[in-house]
Amino acid sequence: GENVEQHPSTLSVQEGDSAVIKCTYSDSASNYFPWYKQELGKRPQLIIDIRSNVGEKKDQRIAVTLNKTAKHFSLHITETQPEDSAVYFCAASTSNAGNMLTFGGGTRLMVKP
Amino acid sequence: DAGVIQSPRHEVTEMGQEVTLRCKPISGHNSLFWYRQTMMRGLELLIYFNNNVPIDDSGMPEDRFSAKMPNASFSTLKIQPSEPRDSAVYFCASSQRQGRDEQFFGPGTRLTVL
Repeated sequence: GENVEQHPSTLSVQEGDSAVIKCTYSDSASNYFPWYKQELGKRPQLIIDIRSNVGEKKDQRIAVTLNKTAKHFSLHITETQPEDSAVYFCAASTSNAGNMLTFGGGTRLMVKP
Repeated sequence: DAGVIQSPRHEVTEMGQEVTLRCKPISGHNSLFWYRQTMMRGLELLIYFNNNVPIDDSGMPEDRFSAKMPNASFSTLKIQPSEPRDSAVYFCASSQRQGRDEQFFGPGTRLTVL
């Protein structure tokens, strides 16, 4: 089955700096890669996703890049703000697996004001 | 739409008791997922259903756990008997099977087994 590795497990940045979180996956058939943000005590919520026919996607201060050959994808947050502090999860799925997501272990991002 | 609804939001019980967690997916969603989240093990998929049918239950930790989906708008996760190591936050999520993969999570049930 699919295996998703996520790094780093914790990340501390100064407000205004950029943050990058990286994930690798094992199943070359995976074609959908979402990123979820989970604030303390809250549910995971989708912030951005990318499909395997696209190499990069942006939404304001966040962007995701995908390298299918290397089987890795990354989340980039620019101009970080204290409210970006949360745990971020990457995930991967294949369309023939019934939308089943395999999640990475999570990255705790701390943005220091 | 109210989103995915879970109940109860918090449950405290004693070891050996039966626990039933409930989930109502978003109307029109055909896939339903049960997850368990702990600090040690992260977010684990326990079981998922497509069109009310269990597809993959390989994540269910042991026979004490069971899940049902009697209809498209309701699912339960039962633990019998419960143990302290079952303490965790249990999330239910749903998604549309055709055309979209995004999973929408419910607010979770925080279970504490004493």
